[in-house]
Amino acid sequence: DQQVKQNSPSLSVQEGRISILNCDYTNSMFDYFLWYKKYPAEGPTFLISISSIKDKNEDGRFTVFLNKSAKHLSLHIVPSQPGDSAVYFCAASAAGNKLTFGGGTRVLVKP
Amino acid sequence: DVKVTQSSRYLVKRTGEKVFLECVQDMDHENMFWYRQDPGLGLRLIYFSYDVKMKEKGDIPEGYSVSREKKERFSLILESASTNQTSMYLCASSTEANYNSPLHFGNGTRLTVT
Repeated sequence: DQQVKQNSPSLSVQEGRISILNCDYTNSMFDYFLWYKKYPAEGPTFLISISSIKDKNEDGRFTVFLNKSAKHLSLHIVPSQPGDSAVYFCAASAAGNKLTFGGGTRVLVKP
Repeated sequence: DVKVTQSSRYLVKRTGEKVFLECVQDMDHENMFWYRQDPGLGLRLIYFSYDVKMKEKGDIPEGYSVSREKKERFSLILESASTNQTSMYLCASSTEANYNSPLHFGNGTRLTVT
């Protein structure tokens, strides 16, 4: 059973608009969350993270929101750019142990 | 910049063959990992290692083994390849003792078992 789920396999958005990627988890022991971005034919690269003691973390155009009571996190990309077209994975860990990844969301930003 | 290099981009092997996937990192990282990526399932951890000659099972170790004889090199071995091991294999490394530190991934090896 997947402990980290990304229920939207794909997302299409117009350039300049906001992209919102969602991730749900079931394990209440998860205390650290990360987002990775993956282009075709490349390995994933780290994008942004958040600890469970926070509910928001921002880095430039990327903001991650964490709702612990709902066991839900989201990644906002504002404004979206064509170079943001990629597959995004959320991942979670408990007490610094191994990461559990979601299934990924493919984002297409249309010019 | 950290570089994680996987020796092959594409591999095609026959059922029953022994397959070696090699990974080298150049930043003296303690931790190394092997994942497989399958559509809709994300990345699943096969094995990891936090030191030379040390290895730990991940979530899906069955049918795989690993070797870490040198700090910079982590090999994934498929003892007898099967068609359900057709997948994208990703190697990663990280420097911190806990796994919250970001992973640095190689570009992947797409393995097809026929």
